[in-house]
Amino acid sequence: DSGVTQTPKHLITATGQRVTLRCSPRSGDLSVYWYQQSLDQGLQFLIQYYNGEERAKGNILERFSAQQFPDLHSELNLSSLELGDSALYFCASSGSNNEQFFGPGTRLTVL
Amino acid sequence: GQNIDQPTEMTATEGAIVQINCTYQTSGFNGLFWYQQHAGEAPTFLSYNVLDGLEEKGRFSSFLSRSKGYSYLLLKELQMKDSASYLCAVRGAGNMLTFGGGTRLMVKP
Repeated sequence: DSGVTQTPKHLITATGQRVTLRCSPRSGDLSVYWYQQSLDQGLQFLIQYYNGEERAKGNILERFSAQQFPDLHSELNLSSLELGDSALYFCASSGSNNEQFFGPGTRLTVL
Repeated sequence: GQNIDQPTEMTATEGAIVQINCTYQTSGFNGLFWYQQHAGEAPTFLSYNVLDGLEEKGRFSSFLSRSKGYSYLLLKELQMKDSASYLCAVRGAGNMLTFGGGTRLMVKP
């Protein structure tokens, strides 16, 4: 157990819909990262937040957005969903050391 | 940009030693990580190298050569539970991690 929690574990929705994925970092960690992992593309970095502020942006689509709240939990919003958005979405957190701890992931299926 | 290459698949025998290579070309380098990921599960941290040389941690060791843009993960005394994907990741500018495609290791009895 990494100490990072993600909800929901599974999500099934239809094309065109909008969903919100939630992540709670390890206690004391200020940084939160979001990753997408699909079968054909490996683990792709989406976005990082540090203490409520956006710190780095990767290959995140304009239809996707994220935020980190004052209690440090983070949400990833995915809108106008397409079939290709079906993937595992991981959240990770890190503190002052170099290691990122990954949550169990949310498996999103878009039908 | 970042480019990270590692073999797609490897097979090894229980009890043997296997070396998984990773080469990278990145703009900025602030460390290289190895993660293990079992199918459908979250990646788990194995090792971190930021200086040249070998880091040993039990049955796993990781090596880095910054001048060559090269790292390897060495797994000794292979066990069946070591069958998993092994992800090489480079931290570039800021704290952003770029992952390679992963190497799927199959350990056979």
